[in-house]
Amino acid sequence: NAGVMQNPRHLVRRRGQEARLRCSPMKGHSHVYWYRQLPEEGLKFMVYLQKENIIDESGMPKERFSAEFPKEGPSILRIQQVVRGDSAAYFCASSPVRPRGRWANTGELFFGEGSRLTVL
Amino acid sequence: TQLLEQSPQFLSIQEGENLTVYCNSSSVFSSLQWYRQEPGEGPVLLVTVVTGGEVKKLKRLTFQFGDARKDSSLHITAAQPGDTGLYLCAGDSDYKLSFGAGTTVTVRA
Repeated sequence: NAGVMQNPRHLVRRRGQEARLRCSPMKGHSHVYWYRQLPEEGLKFMVYLQKENIIDESGMPKERFSAEFPKEGPSILRIQQVVRGDSAAYFCASSPVRPRGRWANTGELFFGEGSRLTVL
Repeated sequence: TQLLEQSPQFLSIQEGENLTVYCNSSSVFSSLQWYRQEPGEGPVLLVTVVTGGEVKKLKRLTFQFGDARKDSSLHITAAQPGDTGLYLCAGDSDYKLSFGAGTTVTVRA
């Protein structure tokens, strides 16, 4: 399967614990996006990363959330000290296109199947 | 508040009927994409529209991009049960996609 791989598919955490969500982009893709989806709210942009760089984290909560995309290995979305409001589906998407300029097209995003976080 | 407003939120129709989903915004986008998402899966791209006024057809699906590049519509002709799913529009601006809340379409056999 050469698609975007996310794991775990389901994760249950108690309040105060840490959640780590992993995303391996499609082969040859060096751009990764993380989105959060709540019922009836659509997909909310969180962060856009390229290898070893955070390009745009304007959608990430200032506290407890962090993301990385190292030179080797998957992209990781880390949520520290989880609260019930963090329960959601977290989707990773990858793209081979490098946007150039504000009006450049992002191009097609290839989404993984998501990681569903439940905080008890 | 949503950057992109989709309507209706839910749509339930009988097989063979037509349907239209709308995506509206006060913002201008360099392009607009439509995705379809099935339960438990990630969204899958259906089409990208780039030029104001553009119309694209994909079998029974017709996509239109408004002249001002702020709105779009998706029209499905003779809907089939296999068209059931969550339809999401996404506006492209500042090298990221902003998604609408989606329209849940149910086609009854």
